[in-house]
Amino acid sequence: DTGVSQNPRHKITKRGQNVTFRCDPISEHNRLYWYRQTLGQGPEFLTYFQNEAQLEKSRLLSDRFSAERPKGSFSTLEIQRTEQGDSAMYLCASSVGQGNPEAFFGQGTRLTVV
Amino acid sequence: GENVEQHPSTLSVQEGDSAVIKCTYSDSASNYFPWYKQELGKRPQLIIDIRSNVGEKKDQRIAVTLNKTAKHFSLHITETQPEDSAVYFCAASRGGATNKLIFGTGTLLAVQP
Repeated sequence: DTGVSQNPRHKITKRGQNVTFRCDPISEHNRLYWYRQTLGQGPEFLTYFQNEAQLEKSRLLSDRFSAERPKGSFSTLEIQRTEQGDSAMYLCASSVGQGNPEAFFGQGTRLTVV
Repeated sequence: GENVEQHPSTLSVQEGDSAVIKCTYSDSASNYFPWYKQELGKRPQLIIDIRSNVGEKKDQRIAVTLNKTAKHFSLHITETQPEDSAVYFCAASRGGATNKLIFGTGTLLAVQP
């Protein structure tokens, strides 16, 4: 499968614990995005990487959230001290870059905070 | 701020009928408008997109229209089939350095056989 890959698919954690999700974009896609989707809503933008540089973060991204893309390939999204309100589907998407904006999504990581 | 409104929230049609979903965007600098189909528990899949220099685009049974003056764009599905049943999301992007997508709230389309 050469699409965007996310792991794990599901994560249940206790409130206050830290969690980390991984995204492997489509090979040679320079741009990588994280979105959050809650039930009945469209995906909401969280953050964006151009290669290894994190170029934009949404105001939705509190200081408990951190994302990295150390080598410009895979990316991780960490949530510290999880809260019940963090329960959502976390989606990763990638695209080739400027001039070719089509974004392709992964299957997402569903986080449940209990 | 940036906002995309989408209507209707639910749409039920008979198999073979047409379905139309409408979106309005607030950011006049938006220039890229994709549509995604999301089946239950699956990833959003890009089904068609349009750029601001084009007024209409078709791909088999799917078409998208764009009215930049009114800041409206619409998805048209003809000859609907049960497998078209899903949630459809419109989105808008101003392109450029980020290309981040601002999504609508989705339309649950049910095609009755």
